[in-house]
Amino acid sequence: GENVEQHPSTLSVQEGDSAVIKCTYSDSASNYFPWYKQELGKRPQLIIDIRSNVGEKKDQRIAVTLNKTAKHFSLHITETQPEDSAVYFCAASPMNTGFQKLVFGTGTRLLVSP
Amino acid sequence: GAVVSQHPSRVICKSGTSVKIECRSLDFQATTMFWYRQFPKKSLMLMATSNEGSKATYEQGVEKDKFLINHASLTLSTLTVTSAHPEDSSFYICSAREHYSYEQYFGPGTRLTVT
Repeated sequence: GENVEQHPSTLSVQEGDSAVIKCTYSDSASNYFPWYKQELGKRPQLIIDIRSNVGEKKDQRIAVTLNKTAKHFSLHITETQPEDSAVYFCAASPMNTGFQKLVFGTGTRLLVSP
Repeated sequence: GAVVSQHPSRVICKSGTSVKIECRSLDFQATTMFWYRQFPKKSLMLMATSNEGSKATYEQGVEKDKFLINHASLTLSTLTVTSAHPEDSSFYICSAREHYSYEQYFGPGTRLTVT
């Protein structure tokens, strides 16, 4: 089955710096890769996603890149702000699951210091 | 749009009792709902996939007789933790997906404490 690895587990940056979180997946048939942001005690919120037919997607300060050959995808946050502090999860959706299950990475705790 | 509610947000129950958690899609029809369990500072672990009108599909290692899932309508799925034990204490989160859509939208979660 699909296995998703996520690095780093924690990331501390200064406000205004960029942050990059990387994930690798094992199932080459996976076709959908969302990123979720989860604040303490709250629900995961979808912040950006990418499908396997696209190499890059951007939404204001957030971008996601996908390298299908290497089976890895990354989240890029520019001009970080303290409110970006949260746990970020990547996920991959294996094509053979039928109902579009998500397999999640282990999460990255991002801390943005003022 | 794409709002998912979950009830209750917190529940404390005694060991041996059963607890029902509801997950509702408020502004869309959810053909598929998913139930996850999350331990403190850990990732989301998929427990089961629920499709409207059919039996749920459980992940390996999840006891279907202990975690009863019902998806009776396109806007409601329920998870019943039967004969709860302290080790069942956890944060349970549902998500919902529309037909032909990739995106999953999560409920706010239910914190279950079994004493």
